[in-house]
This record gives sequence, structure tokens and C-alpha cells, in this order.
Amino acid sequence: RKEVEQDPGPFNVPEGATVAFNCTYSNSASQSFFWYRQDCRKEPKLLMSVYSSGNEDGRFTAQLNRASQYISLLIRDSKLSDSATYLCVVNKGSYIPTFGRGTSLIVHP
Amino acid sequence: DAGVIQSPRHEVTEMGQEVTLRCKPISGHNSLFWYRQTMMRGLELLIYFNNNVPIDDSGMPEDRFSAKMPNASFSTLKIQPSEPRDSAVYFCASSLGYEQYFGPGTRLTVT
Repeated sequence: RKEVEQDPGPFNVPEGATVAFNCTYSNSASQSFFWYRQDCRKEPKLLMSVYSSGNEDGRFTAQLNRASQYISLLIRDSKLSDSATYLCVVNKGSYIPTFGRGTSLIVHP
Repeated sequence: DAGVIQSPRHEVTEMGQEVTLRCKPISGHNSLFWYRQTMMRGLELLIYFNNNVPIDDSGMPEDRFSAKMPNASFSTLKIQPSEPRDSAVYFCASSLGYEQYFGPGTRLTVT
């Protein structure tokens, strides 16, 4: 089993839709979790951290389920500009991250 | 803040040539990471420096790859000799904690 797994997609949704991605991790000792966004031919950029209590930033909500070892990202009211690849990142307690392969999102008019 | 700076942005070279990629991390950050990204393998961590010291180089593919960080504001990743399978985008990232800031990457093509 890979350390961090994501459905590669693509998720193809219309503008205004709600879409959710999950990311599973194999190491129960993992401590820090993040979502990064990567646009085509660009570098990854931090989207948001994922806290145990869950967190929300505008249209984006991230949640952590330690029992089932997954994190999720929910995007409400999708915009065309949300089209990108979303990378899940897990740290095992050191500053060395493990990146998932990413989930591709395409928002169409 | 200029962010993480990488050079060159694009490099095309012939098999067997030496390639040197450069990175300037964000001032004040104490960790630096080199990654390689391909369609087949995704984003792979090559090496991690903390306070200029290599902490984990287990991701370095083989002896053809070497990385240095002579001071807090500069790092290099060298491939010698280069091979076509080294073609990828190489990212440098820096951090002060868990959140990483990536440079724009160097797109390397080895023919």
C-alpha cells in the first residue's frame, strides 16, 4: 500500500457544483496534513492545513479522520479557476513530507 | 519577498553532459528540499537539508545525482552524467516549519 493515496480523477464538474476529494494515508503515526494546489505547468502552492477539528477557508473545507486514516477536501460553489490538481501531503512527525499523486479537478461552464 | 528562486527555468542538454540546477530559498527559512516531478512518478523528494546540512538523501536516484548547500541562501543539484530518463521538472522548496514554499521549477530535457 502506498503511503499516501489519492484518486487521480479527473473530476469533471460544472460551475457551482460541490466536489469532494479524499486522501488516505498508511502510517497511523502521521501528524501533520496539508492540501496543496498545483496549476498546469506551475509549482505546488499551499492551499490549507488540515487540523484535527477540521477547518474552513471560504468555499474550502478540510477534514481529518484519524480512525479511518484519511483527509478530505470539500469545495463548494466551484469556480472555473478552481481547475487544478490537488495534492495531499502527510508528515510523519518530521519535516519530511510525503506527497500524494494528486487529484485532477476540471470545472466547466 | 521574492519567494524561492530557481535557475535556469529551462534546460535542454545532451545525454552525458553535466547539469547544474540552482536554488535560492526564502530568507530566514532553515529547511530546503529538492523534488523531481514526472507524469509517471509524481512528485518525488530527492534530498532534504536542515540548517545547510543534508538530513535525508534517500530519494537521490543514484550516484549521478549530488546536492550541496554551501550556505543558507544557496543550493545546487548536479547531475553528472545526465541521461534521458532524468528529464523532469525539478522543484526546490524551502520552509521554516511544515509549510513548504516552492520555486517555479526547472524543466530539464535530456536528449
